[in-house]
Amino acid sequence: AQSVTQPDIHITVSEGASLELRCNYSYGATPYLFWYVQSPGQGLQLLLKYFSGDTLVQGIKGFEAEFKRSQSSFNLRKPSVHWSDAAEYFCAVEGPLGFQKLVFGTGTRLLVSP
Amino acid sequence: DSGVTQTPKHLITATGQRVTLRCSPRSGDLSVYWYQQSLDQGLQFLIQYYNGEERAKGNILERFSAQQFPDLHSELNLSSLELGDSALYFCASSSQGSEAFFGQGTRLTVV
Repeated sequence: AQSVTQPDIHITVSEGASLELRCNYSYGATPYLFWYVQSPGQGLQLLLKYFSGDTLVQGIKGFEAEFKRSQSSFNLRKPSVHWSDAAEYFCAVEGPLGFQKLVFGTGTRLLVSP
Repeated sequence: DSGVTQTPKHLITATGQRVTLRCSPRSGDLSVYWYQQSLDQGLQFLIQYYNGEERAKGNILERFSAQQFPDLHSELNLSSLELGDSALYFCASSSQGSEAFFGQGTRLTVV
């Protein structure tokens, strides 16, 4: 069955430093992959998605992610973190029920230190 | 603003009661999805409706039901509520082949 693992529950990064959030998935075929961000008291906002094609995907707010089939990974990166990036980040994969019925990881909470 | 509107934002109710959560999808989106976010289960897909018809069912309890009306808004009905039903319930909508856009959620607290 499809599953997503986000091994880091919390990550603290200094403002201006680079960020990488890890995501590993389990899926039988080429997956549809997503990264969402949830700010306190807010809904889920899509940062970026991978359907096919170029394995390096650009998203909003300066985020990017790289799909690596050999490692079953879809890690999220940002070269320079801003205090406003503090939030919870969720990786998701298309679930067994098909497109947009997503299976989410447990999330990684990003803390940004001054 | 995603364009998906959920009401109410917060709901507090007692065990055994029934509540209805409402979702208005983005203009033109025919698909509506319901998700539950709880501390112990994380984010889980519950159910999808497409143009008024149930399209897919996930981990939705029998005490829960949903429907989508001709104007495409959707309601999630939760009955015989238990403490463990306390969660954030999200609605999302999408058009054919596009990603889903999520609302801000309804936080349900069962006391």
